[in-house]
Amino acid sequence: GIQVEQSPPDLILQEGANSTLRCNFSDSVNNLQWFHQNPWGQLINLFYIPSGTKQNGRLSATTVATERYSLLYISSSQTTDSGVYFCAVHSGAGSYQLTFGKGTKLSVIP
Amino acid sequence: EAQVTQNPRYLITVTGKKLTVTCSQNMNHEYMSWYRQDPGLGLRQIYYSMNVEVTDKGDVPEGYKVSRKEKRNFPLILESPSPNQTSLYFCASSLGQGLSRAFFGQGTRLTVV
Repeated sequence: GIQVEQSPPDLILQEGANSTLRCNFSDSVNNLQWFHQNPWGQLINLFYIPSGTKQNGRLSATTVATERYSLLYISSSQTTDSGVYFCAVHSGAGSYQLTFGKGTKLSVIP
Repeated sequence: EAQVTQNPRYLITVTGKKLTVTCSQNMNHEYMSWYRQDPGLGLRQIYYSMNVEVTDKGDVPEGYKVSRKEKRNFPLILESPSPNQTSLYFCASSLGQGLSRAFFGQGTRLTVV
């Protein structure tokens, strides 16, 4: 099956700093999403981004499908950004699930 | 507000006592699924449903049952829970299984003692 690798596994930032999270996938995909799991365990969908670039406030994401990677940018980080960020992909015909990466654990300290 | 609602949020139960975790979505989505999340193993799909009365197994279906009698509801049933089913469970829904955004419920933290 498709493999999804995220880096870095852990990241500690000072409040106000910027960061880039990376997601590599092993095969072509027709669906890529970024999620944030907050400290209470809830999974929030940040972006549906199979290709191109999207922005939502301080967050933006870029997927280069032909090179099999996606990037999530967090600017001016806040303590509420802490949690785990997951990349998830759907590989297309015959697949009926999202395959998740292991996540990047982000800690933003004041 | 568009949402996926799971209940209960937290549950502690004893081995062998049947339980049901409910899941309901208000977005008229066709596709729904259940995942479990375990440390070191990540999120794994248990069952999915492509529409009413259409369900199929995911990667880890043993010990679970599901039903889809109405489009909005997709309950997860543990007929005889065991301690290895202690986990964080998520219900998800989307317009279709591939080309659409997935919405997740708040999660159900289940402990089986």
